[in-house]
Amino acid sequence: RKEVEQDPGPFNVPEGATVAFNCTYSNSASQSFFWYRQDCRKEPKLLMSVYSSGNEDGRFTAQLNRASQYISLLIRDSKLSDSATYLCVVRRMDSSYKLIFGSGTRLLVRP
Amino acid sequence: NAGVTQTPKFQVLKTGQSMTLQCAQDMNHEYMSWYRQDPGMGLRLIHYSVGAGITDQGEVPNGYNVSRSTTEDFPLRLLSAAPSQTSVYFCASSYRAGGTDTQYFGPGTRLTVL
Repeated sequence: RKEVEQDPGPFNVPEGATVAFNCTYSNSASQSFFWYRQDCRKEPKLLMSVYSSGNEDGRFTAQLNRASQYISLLIRDSKLSDSATYLCVVRRMDSSYKLIFGSGTRLLVRP
Repeated sequence: NAGVTQTPKFQVLKTGQSMTLQCAQDMNHEYMSWYRQDPGMGLRLIHYSVGAGITDQGEVPNGYNVSRSTTEDFPLRLLSAAPSQTSVYFCASSYRAGGTDTQYFGPGTRLTVL
């Protein structure tokens, strides 16, 4: 079983739709949580960190449920420019501070 | 401020050849790391460094060496290239190793081993 699991998609949605991505992690000692965005053939870039109380950045809302070891990302009012792969990322709580990446969920927003 | 730079952008090697992928950052970051990305696998950590002179292995270190003689540079050496090392390689850096510090990635090196 992978340490961080995501539905690979693709999610194909019309402009203006609301779409939600889910992610589960297996290491209960995980320390920090993130969503990264990766455009085709480009490097990953931080979209947002995920905090225990949940956090929002414009059209994007992230939630963390430590009891269920579950992270979510909600995108409201989807834009064509949101088309990308969204990577769920977990940092281990050990001396390595390693980031563990999910394999990503692909989003396609159509006109 | 160039951020994280990587060279080359593309490389084709023959089995058994060696080469070094270059990575540099100008943000005075302590933490640097190398990942490889393969279809359906996500990014996997190869080696990392928490500061100059300190390196350690990640999940998939076999066939790769690193060194960190300066804060700025973190080269990745392929000792004897194999087709299984065909991948996209990303270098990343952050100010510190832990917490919620943002990891900044370089543009990647696309490596093909024939």
